[in-house]
Amino acid sequence: DQQVKQNSPSLSVQEGRISILNCDYTNSMFDYFLWYKKYPAEGPTFLISISSIKDKNEDGRFTVFLNKSAKHLSLHIVPSQPGDSAVYFCAASGTGGFKTIFGAGTRLFVKA
Amino acid sequence: DSGVTQTPKHLITATGQRVTLRCSPRSGDLSVYWYQQSLDQGLQFLIHYYNGEERAKGNILERFSAQQFPDLHSELNLSSLELGDSALYFCASSVEGGINEKLFFGSGTQLSVL
Repeated sequence: DQQVKQNSPSLSVQEGRISILNCDYTNSMFDYFLWYKKYPAEGPTFLISISSIKDKNEDGRFTVFLNKSAKHLSLHIVPSQPGDSAVYFCAASGTGGFKTIFGAGTRLFVKA
Repeated sequence: DSGVTQTPKHLITATGQRVTLRCSPRSGDLSVYWYQQSLDQGLQFLIHYYNGEERAKGNILERFSAQQFPDLHSELNLSSLELGDSALYFCASSVEGGINEKLFFGSGTQLSVL
């Protein structure tokens, strides 16, 4: 039962353009969402998060949007840089469980 | 450097064997989580310990067990290993283990079962 889904295994974007990574969830008990970034041979590192009481959170070039009614969130990276090339994981947590559930990840390629 | 240390980095073993993966959390963190990442799979949650006590369990097989010691380091024990257990195992830590905390991950242990 995949509660957090990232349906695009990979995404290729030109440097300077916008990257949009999508994530869907099924469990309405989730109320906190996070994005992690992973480089090869390293563990995931936290990137940005959003609480369910908000619909947008911004941190520099990274913005996360949350649409609760659609159970959908997205990560926007503007402008994209070659150093952003990595695997991005969407994750969710919520009341009733002390666990963070991750999606399968989307591999982002930013071409110079 | 996340401050989370996992050993060993690589482990090669045979089917039927037992191995132990070790994790030292960041200084001050009370919660430790274990995740499994198989090929083309996301991070599958296995188990969460807080200050020595099990707090949440995911899809962890009965052949797998974990514990968190008084010094807060954690060990994940995998027994009767099968080929399908080959994966990257990550440990993560957080301060309290609350639902809105970010996790700090180690660099993982790559387990190969031959």
